[in-house]
Amino acid sequence: QVQLQESGPGLVKPSGTLSLTCAVSGGSISSSNWWSWVRQPPGKGLEWIGEIYHSGSTNYNPSLKSRVTISVDKSKNQFSLKLSSVTAADTAVYYCARDRGEGDGFDIWGQGTMVTVSS
Amino acid sequence: QSALTQPASVSGSPGQSITISCTGTSSDVGSYNLVSWYQQHPGKAPKLMIYEGSKRPSGVSNRFSGSKSGNTASLTISGLQAEDEADYYCCSYAGSSTLYVFGTGTKVTVL
Repeated sequence: QVQLQESGPGLVKPSGTLSLTCAVSGGSISSSNWWSWVRQPPGKGLEWIGEIYHSGSTNYNPSLKSRVTISVDKSKNQFSLKLSSVTAADTAVYYCARDRGEGDGFDIWGQGTMVTVSS
Repeated sequence: QSALTQPASVSGSPGQSITISCTGTSSDVGSYNLVSWYQQHPGKAPKLMIYEGSKRPSGVSNRFSGSKSGNTASLTISGLQAEDEADYYCCSYAGSSTLYVFGTGTKVTVL
């Protein structure tokens, strides 16, 4: 079955760029699914960040759109998140997730990775 | 796009039924039959429990059911069990510009 695994630095300096990768195993990233990033600040709720299709098409949360870039690497079966100009408010657990498609929610999630923004 | 509104906490005794509400607007919950519900235990990733408002993924107990009326979606847990104690989040499709909006989350306590 499909599994997702996030990786990347756990500490990012303020004003820097947060970079994470999600490796897809047990299936192809080129399947008929969108692939999303979702985050959760400590003790708070979930926030959808954005998604990508294997073709490279993307959709972003309007509140983060100016700072977010999601890309796909089909050769490595993975997709990535970059969030620029980070502040302490971007401290969160970041999850990658498989989108069922057409607005139908997320059926497979990675375990999540904690990213702290601090100097 | 504001978060969907959920009660902060809901509690019940083992064997009882509880219902969690998720209130949105005519731009999200009210316009699409695309509400999903997630269960999240402490320190764990969310787990899909309901999609398309009322459908259960394979492997999810039939004690979990979903419904919608107007701008409010609901998740009902019947025959409450200790293992159901967790945080629950709703999520709705909100159109092509915003796509997804999550609820504020509800902590379910089994007394």
